[in-house]
Amino acid sequence: DAGVIQSPRHEVTEMGQEVTLRCKPISGHDYLFWYRQTMMRGLELLIYFNNNVPIDDSGMPEDRFSAKMPNASFSTLKIQPSEPRDSAVYFCASSGQNSNQPQHFGDGTRLSIL
Amino acid sequence: GNSVTQMEGPVTLSEEAFLTINCTYTATGYPSLFWYVQYPGEGLQLLLKATKADDKGSNKGFEATYRKETTSFHLEKGSVQVSDSAVYFCALRTRTASKLTFGTGTRLQVTL
Repeated sequence: DAGVIQSPRHEVTEMGQEVTLRCKPISGHDYLFWYRQTMMRGLELLIYFNNNVPIDDSGMPEDRFSAKMPNASFSTLKIQPSEPRDSAVYFCASSGQNSNQPQHFGDGTRLSIL
Repeated sequence: GNSVTQMEGPVTLSEEAFLTINCTYTATGYPSLFWYVQYPGEGLQLLLKATKADDKGSNKGFEATYRKETTSFHLEKGSVQVSDSAVYFCALRTRTASKLTFGTGTRLQVTL
């Protein structure tokens, strides 16, 4: 079975540029989560969706960050404009509806903003 | 609210040593409990889970028992290997919350 697929795996860009991260969840999963991981702040939940609808975006750091889920098989996280402090590893995860079901994580996008 | 507390790392052990990583939790409702492992440069992988009191989750020689009376889910392995070097995260999910609550992670370093 295909797991959660993220692209790109690595992204290096200059500050001020727009960055778009992509995620394909596991087919049949109702929930999709976006996380950010840094050495300083650890693993942070940014936003999550249920059936393509954003449920909680309280973790989104600023208005520069936005996320969409136009259909059940695709989501994007966009940063515009990007800043050096956005450098991190961004993970996407998906899960089923029941509380005993774990989240499945993608391999992450390592983002470096110069 | 929900919270997970893990022992501070890093934990450094010699190969074949016994491992315990402590995890305690606070939850509203009856949670399912999980251990995830993150190897260098990779995403988080589910290691094991337990969904009710006294359940024991196990995988790859790792075990953890859901202890409701002590609200704990400690991770153990009888004999660690160098390949077990990674960061381990304890997490919970309740029936009323669709997201996971993670601990801060414990880094394990196993040396020869």
